[in-house]
Amino acid sequence: EPEVTQTPSHQVTQMGQEVILRCVPISNHLYFYWYRQILGQKVEFLVSFYNNEISEKSEIFDDQFSVERPDGSNFTLKIRSTKLEDSAMYFCASSAMGTGELFFGEGSRLTVL
Amino acid sequence: DQQVKQNSPSLSVQEGRISILNCDYTNSMFDYFLWYKKYPAEGPTFLISISSIKDKNEDGRFTVFLNKSAKHLSLHIVPSQPGDSAVYFCAASASMNTGNQFYFGTGTSLTVIP
Repeated sequence: EPEVTQTPSHQVTQMGQEVILRCVPISNHLYFYWYRQILGQKVEFLVSFYNNEISEKSEIFDDQFSVERPDGSNFTLKIRSTKLEDSAMYFCASSAMGTGELFFGEGSRLTVL
Repeated sequence: DQQVKQNSPSLSVQEGRISILNCDYTNSMFDYFLWYKKYPAEGPTFLISISSIKDKNEDGRFTVFLNKSAKHLSLHIVPSQPGDSAVYFCAASASMNTGNQFYFGTGTSLTVIP
């Protein structure tokens, strides 16, 4: 069964460092998403991406965040200068056109020290 | 701004009995709702969905009910099995068109006791 894969599974970084989280969405999906879940809190929407541009983004997705689809398979989330409060589990998701179901990856845990 | 609320952080049910998980929403524009199940250290897994044109959708042991006037949906699992023990999230969107964000509740941790 096709699945969304994410790397790394866990990254520890120092405050102020840049981090890139990578995702390989399901191959025939056209819509891509990043969500995050801070420990003990709800799953929060960050950004959606379609046709090589951002469709929608939340307040969390400020200038420190960016997304890119550098090739036909990867979808990346970059945090330019990490803050302590960026520590969370980051989930990538994808969906096929015309359906609302999101398929999530297993997440990348980011720990900012 | 909590547009989707799951007011019960946890629920315990005996194996074989019915589990009922509840979800309330505030935005009347929401017209598509999903339930996800999440095990520790894994991503959420889609369970079942319902659009606002229906008030019930059933898939095996899982049934979702939607009460639009009350802005309330519930997930029924019957019979409950120990493998159903997980965190359940409801999510809502203002359109079935992908590209719109889904708003998630805070989750309900279900424990099914053997």
